[in-house]
Amino acid sequence: AQKITQTQPGMFVQEKEAVTLDCTYDTSDPSYGLFWYKQPSSGEMIFLIYQGSYDQQNATEGRYSLNFQKARKSANLVISASQLGDSAMYFCAMREANFGNEKLTFGTGTRLTIIP
Amino acid sequence: DAGITQSPRYKITETGRQVTLMCHQTWSHSYMFWYRQDLGHGLRLIYYSAAADITDKGEVPDGYVVSRSKTENFPLTLESATRSQTSVYFCASSERSTSGRHNEQFFGPGTRLTVL
Repeated sequence: AQKITQTQPGMFVQEKEAVTLDCTYDTSDPSYGLFWYKQPSSGEMIFLIYQGSYDQQNATEGRYSLNFQKARKSANLVISASQLGDSAMYFCAMREANFGNEKLTFGTGTRLTIIP
Repeated sequence: DAGITQSPRYKITETGRQVTLMCHQTWSHSYMFWYRQDLGHGLRLIYYSAAADITDKGEVPDGYVVSRSKTENFPLTLESATRSQTSVYFCASSERSTSGRHNEQFFGPGTRLTVL
């Protein structure tokens, strides 16, 4: 079974609208971390936001927020007021198990295109 | 410059040749990682290292060799390159996570490798 599933290969969104990128995960470990990365066309991987499995509140970083629904095992990225510069690939990733296991498992990504 | 660098940024080689991709980080992070990025697969972990002289296999290690004699360097060697190893290779680093937070990984700019 896929540990990280991103079911939207591509999305087109009008500029200034909010956008939600879906991510579901599969783990039996009670301690895990969820990450979102952005990869613009230039190719670099940019860390956006992190959510710990024990965090009581949803993570927010500026225009980015993470809609964390633990029981549903989903960690959707929400971008408010989208901008043209948000056009990129977005990857969801998970780190499982005890501290000291630093490996990340990535989803296949969602290509977001913002339309002017 | 501070950060994580990779060299070369682009490489074309022939089947059967040995190729070494270099990765250097200036943060003194304990952990370093090598990923490959292929269309439809997201990023897949090849090898990682928890400290100097400690390395371990990831999801797709076959055909690759790593070493880590110094904390700041983590070279990846393709001993006999094959066309299936044509990919974009990313190096990443992170500090060891502590109780309460899983640390993000910081990525290098990537190396685009073509095996003819």
